[in-house]
Amino acid sequence: NAGVMQNPRHLVRRRGQEARLRCSPMKGHSHVYWYRQLPEEGLKFMVYLQKENIIDESGMPKERFSAEFPKEGPSILRIQQVVRGDSAAYFCASSSEGGFRTEAFFGQGTRLTVV
Amino acid sequence: GESVGLHLPTLSVQEGDNSIINCAYSNSASDYFIWYKQESGKGPQFIIDIRSNMDKRQGQRVTVLLNKTVKHLSLQIAATQPGDSAVYFCAASLNKLIFGAGTRLAVHP
Repeated sequence: NAGVMQNPRHLVRRRGQEARLRCSPMKGHSHVYWYRQLPEEGLKFMVYLQKENIIDESGMPKERFSAEFPKEGPSILRIQQVVRGDSAAYFCASSSEGGFRTEAFFGQGTRLTVV
Repeated sequence: GESVGLHLPTLSVQEGDNSIINCAYSNSASDYFIWYKQESGKGPQFIIDIRSNMDKRQGQRVTVLLNKTVKHLSLQIAATQPGDSAVYFCAASLNKLIFGAGTRLAVHP
């Protein structure tokens, strides 16, 4: 049973380009969470999704950021027109039950660098 | 909302000593707490969790204590080893996990 898979591990984008980050949850998990981490800081909640539904997006910036978790395929975090301030590590986690009532497993993250 | 804070940003211990990492949370409605370990360049790794109906839980070399009266959480690591060197985060759950800033644990031989 593979863990949470994120790709790419490293992503470099020029300012103004789009960044697409992918997250495949653990087998049997239907709840996905995205977090952002700046160097030497904790993880900041961005969005919580269940299959085909956004449950809580209170941590998502209002513009340029979007997330989806389709019925088939991985969850996607999309950042349009990236700026230098978007440079960070983005982690996703998955769980079998929603609302972090049970153990959630994290992927290894995607490190986005905007140049 | 929930905020989770850590008392010490860094903790240095000698190999073989016990380590204690503390954490405070603000929302008394939080009912599930997790400690994560994060090594450089990696994702957070689950260490141990505890629900609010408990005040102590033990794992292998780790113990989590929960004091709901003062909204305080601690992680105790027995016989700390060099491999324990990492950043440790506590997180409190209120439908989503809210992380603290982290404590860096440095283990010296």
